[in-house]
Amino acid sequence: KAGVTQTPRYLIKTRGQQVTLSCSPISGHRSVSWYQQTPGQGLQFLFEYFSETQRNKGNFPGRFSGRQFSNSRSEMNVSTLELGDSALYLCASSLVGQPYNSPLHFGNGTRLTVT
Amino acid sequence: LAKTTQPISMDSYEGQEVNITCSHNNIATNDYITWYQQFPSQGPRFIIQGYKTKVTNEVASLFIPADRKSSTLSLPRVSLSDTAVYYCLVGDDYGQNFVFGPGTRLSVLP
Repeated sequence: KAGVTQTPRYLIKTRGQQVTLSCSPISGHRSVSWYQQTPGQGLQFLFEYFSETQRNKGNFPGRFSGRQFSNSRSEMNVSTLELGDSALYLCASSLVGQPYNSPLHFGNGTRLTVT
Repeated sequence: LAKTTQPISMDSYEGQEVNITCSHNNIATNDYITWYQQFPSQGPRFIIQGYKTKVTNEVASLFIPADRKSSTLSLPRVSLSDTAVYYCLVGDDYGQNFVFGPGTRLSVLP
């Protein structure tokens, strides 16, 4: 079974621009969650989607948004990029969306650099 | 989300058994305990999950005492490729407090 696929792998953007990242979950997994990882803040939860609905949201500004399609693929968008948005963005999928009794399967992330 | 405490770093030598303990004093009845491994520039990888007593799979064992206030991940006969950060997660829901802690940075030396 193919793992979680994230595209692109690397991205360089300029302050003020917007960016869209893509995530294809493991086949059959209906929950997709997104995370931001930086050396200073660690791995922080952005939001979780299940059956095209955002069910949970972390403590990030409205510039960070996402959506999920009927085939469970998900995208996240960051508008008006800031230097502090430079990070590794990770996507994870799971069968039913409870992160602890339904283990998360992560992709290898998109490395975003904002200049 | 139960707060967890792990050692920040550990060193070991190849071939040794490594035990990483995670403390979670306020674990709730419905909470599972899950461990992940992360290599640089990769996403975390699921290692093992348990609820109580002992769980073993092909790569690790997880020991959970009766009071469930701590858990120990055991890696038998580590190799250089086991050098990574190991995260312990305890809880049953997402939310604004869903945060991976700093994890334990394991360095395996030759």
